[in-house]
Amino acid sequence: DAKTTQPNSMESNEEEPVHLPCNHSTISGTDYIHWYRQLPSQGPEYVIHGLTSNVNNRMASLAIAEDRKSSTLILHRATLRDAAVYYCIRNSGNTPLVFGKGTRLSVIA
Amino acid sequence: DGGITQSPKYLFRKEGQNVTLSCEQNLNHDAMYWYRQDPGQGLRLIYYSQIVNDFQKGDIAEGYSVSREKKESFPLTVTSAQKNPTAFYLCASSILRSTEAFFGQGTRLTVV
Repeated sequence: DAKTTQPNSMESNEEEPVHLPCNHSTISGTDYIHWYRQLPSQGPEYVIHGLTSNVNNRMASLAIAEDRKSSTLILHRATLRDAAVYYCIRNSGNTPLVFGKGTRLSVIA
Repeated sequence: DGGITQSPKYLFRKEGQNVTLSCEQNLNHDAMYWYRQDPGQGLRLIYYSQIVNDFQKGDIAEGYSVSREKKESFPLTVTSAQKNPTAFYLCASSILRSTEAFFGQGTRLTVV
C-alpha cells in the first residue's frame, strides 16, 4: 500500500512548467514526502524530499500544503528529458520505500 | 566513481533453473534493497538488509533468497519456486534510516 494518490498520467508542453500533484491524507507527523522519477528502462532516481516547508533544488521544487495532506512537485521548465514516471512516497526513514504506480509524464515538443 | 552496479543488464534462463543477480555498491551504505517491477507497475519490495549477515523479507519474498556476507554486496537468487520470475529487478542502497535511496540500472530477467 503506497498510501499516496497520484494521477496515472499527465502531459506537458516543452519549456512550460509542470505541477505534479500527490495526496497523502493519512500522513503521520514523522513521514517525509519524497519524489523519485524513473526514466524508461532505468532505476528510479531521487528528485527531492521535504517535511513541512517548501523545498527547492536544481531539479525541482516541492510545495507542501500547510496541513501536509497533499504536495506538488514543480518542474519549472519541462524538457523532453523530463518524460518519466514520477513517484510520490511518504516515508519516515525507518522502513524501506514503498512505490505506487506513479504519474507518467509525457512532454510534447 | 561511486554507485551501485547491477549485472548483468539482461539475463535469460530456462524455466526451472535458479539464477543469481548481482548487486554491488561502493557507497559505504549499510542498507540494501531488492525490488521487482512488472510492466506498467510500481516497484515491489522483495528483501532488504540493514546490516551484514541480516536481512528481512519484503512484500513478495516467496521464491527468492538473498545473502549479505559483505557490506558491499547483496546478491538475489531467483529460485525455481518463483512462479513468474520474468521481470525487471532493481537493487538499491541507502544510509541507514536515510530518506534517499540510490538505485542501480536494473537487471531484466526473462525466463523461457
